[in-house]
Amino acid sequence: DQQVKQNSPSLSVQEGRISILNCDYTNSMFDYFLWYKKYPAEGPTFLISISSIKDKNEDGRFTVFLNKSAKHLSLHIVPSQPGDSAVYFCAASERNTPLVFGKGTRLSVIA
Amino acid sequence: GAGVSQSPSNKVTEKGKDVELRCDPISGHTALYWYRQSLGQGLEFLIYFQGNSAPDKSGLPSDRFSAERTGGSVSTLTIQRTQQEDSAVYLCASSDERVEAFFGQGTRLTVV
Repeated sequence: DQQVKQNSPSLSVQEGRISILNCDYTNSMFDYFLWYKKYPAEGPTFLISISSIKDKNEDGRFTVFLNKSAKHLSLHIVPSQPGDSAVYFCAASERNTPLVFGKGTRLSVIA
Repeated sequence: GAGVSQSPSNKVTEKGKDVELRCDPISGHTALYWYRQSLGQGLEFLIYFQGNSAPDKSGLPSDRFSAERTGGSVSTLTIQRTQQEDSAVYLCASSDERVEAFFGQGTRLTVV
């Protein structure tokens, strides 16, 4: 059973608009959440994270929102740029356990 | 180098042969992970080393898969008697006391 779910396999957004990538989880013991970005033929790169004690974390154009009651988090990218086109993975962690990843969402930013 | 290094970057092997994949983590990182990504799939956890603790092997798909981490640094993932379904990108990551894991570029394994 998937503990971390990214229900949208792909998303297309116009350059300059907002991209919203969603992630749901089932394990209420998860206390840390991360987003990774992956380009073809490269390993995933860490993007942004959020602790379960917060509901928002912002880093430049990237903001992650956490709704613990709904077991839902989202990544907002604004404004979206063509270079943001990649596969985005949501991941979650309990303390001292391996990261659990979703299946990813392929974002295409159209110029 | 400063990042996680994996070798080889590509490996083509015949079905039934054994393969070894190597990972050099970031110096000083105590945690090391192996994941794999099959075509069109997400990141599947394989094994996790944390310091001197016994490794978490719960993600290994069969007893043909094994991994070791020597001296708390370099790790080798071994796949015995490879099968075509083992074809995937094998990714290694390491982390320090923070949760964020840093990934290598991966080894693309093709079993023919």
